[in-house]
Order: sequence, then structure tokens, then C-alpha cells
Amino acid sequence: DTGVSQDPRHKITKRGQNVTFRCDPISEHNRLYWYRQTLGQGPEFLTYFQNEAQLEKSRLLSDRFSAERPKGSFSTLEIQRTEQGDSAMYLCASSRAGTSNEQFFGPGTRLTVL
Amino acid sequence: EDQVTQSPEALRLQEGESSSLNCSYTVSGLRGLFWYRQDPGKGPEFLFTLYSAGEEKEKERLKATLTKKESFLHITAPKPEDSATYLCAVQSYSGGGADGLTFGKGTHLIIQP
Repeated sequence: DTGVSQDPRHKITKRGQNVTFRCDPISEHNRLYWYRQTLGQGPEFLTYFQNEAQLEKSRLLSDRFSAERPKGSFSTLEIQRTEQGDSAMYLCASSRAGTSNEQFFGPGTRLTVL
Repeated sequence: EDQVTQSPEALRLQEGESSSLNCSYTVSGLRGLFWYRQDPGKGPEFLFTLYSAGEEKEKERLKATLTKKESFLHITAPKPEDSATYLCAVQSYSGGGADGLTFGKGTHLIIQP
């Protein structure tokens, strides 16, 4: 399977703990995106990378959130001091710059903050 | 700010009963309009990209069309396996994220046998 992969698929944590998610994009894709989706809503854009550069951050991305993409390959999204409001599905997508901007999504990481 | 509104929120059809889903959008400059299908607990699955008014694309029982203000996803003779949430998204030249997509809330479609 050469699609976008995410790990873990599910994460349960206690309020105040830090969590980190990983995303591996489609191998030839140089753009990588993070979204958050809550129940009954569409995905909301958080941030994106072109290669290793983080080019844009949404105002939804508070100071407790940080994303990295070392060497322009996989990416990590860390949430510090988790709050119950952080409970959501965190989706990663990738695309190839210069093409039709089609973004392909991974299966997501379901975060539950108790 | 880009806005996407999808209607209806939910739709229940009998197998073989054709219908259309609506996506109304407001953007400062449209780069692309995207349709995705999402099954429960899974990530969105890409269906179509439309770029300019008058454009149409088809895939099996699905056909997407685009005007300057809205897009329609037409479902012809649906089957139970077409049951899913259908998401519409736009990408603009000056939206909330220059490359990020702005999604609607989706239409939850149920096809009864």
C-alpha cells in the first residue's frame, strides 16, 4: 500500500499530557498537510509543509501545537498539555506541488483526552 | 474568508433512486473545488477536482458539475455501497490557508436496499 499512513490510529490520554502523532506521505509527494476533524464537521486546516518548510499555519493552531517535517519526509504533530477540547480526528494529507492540487488523506489518528 | 455550505445535511434514498447533493461556496478566487467521500472512522477519499464553471467529471454512478457559485454531485441509480458522507471543499488564492482546503460539513447519504 503506497497511500498516506498515520500512526497511531487511536490515542487515549489524560488531560495535561503531551501526545505526538506521525504521518508518512505518499513517497513522491512534497506537500504535506494536517487537518483536524470533530464529529459532524468537515476537516479543518491546521498547517502545511512544502518539503521541510512549514509554509502556513491556521489560527486554529495554538501555541500548544507544533509540527515538524525533518528532511521533507515524514511529519510529526505534537500537542502539549492536552485539553478535552483537543479530542478529535487528526488527519494528514499529501499532494505533489505543480499538479492539480489534489490532496490524498490518510486514515487519521483518533485522539481522546480524558 | 472562504465559506462552503452543503445541503442537505442528510439524505436517505432507496436503492436506484437518483438524486443530487449541493455545495454552495464563497471564495475570493477559486483554485479548485474538490469532492471527497468519507466512510465512518476513515479519512476522506478523493473523488473529483473541478476548476472552472461548466466543467463536469464522472466516475461510475457519480457526476460532479460546477457553476460560479455552486457544485452538484449527482448520484445515478445508487447502491447501498454508495452510503457515506460526501464532503465538498474549496481551495482559493487567498483563503484561510493558501494551500489548505476549506471543507463543508458534508452530506450524510444512506442508500436503503
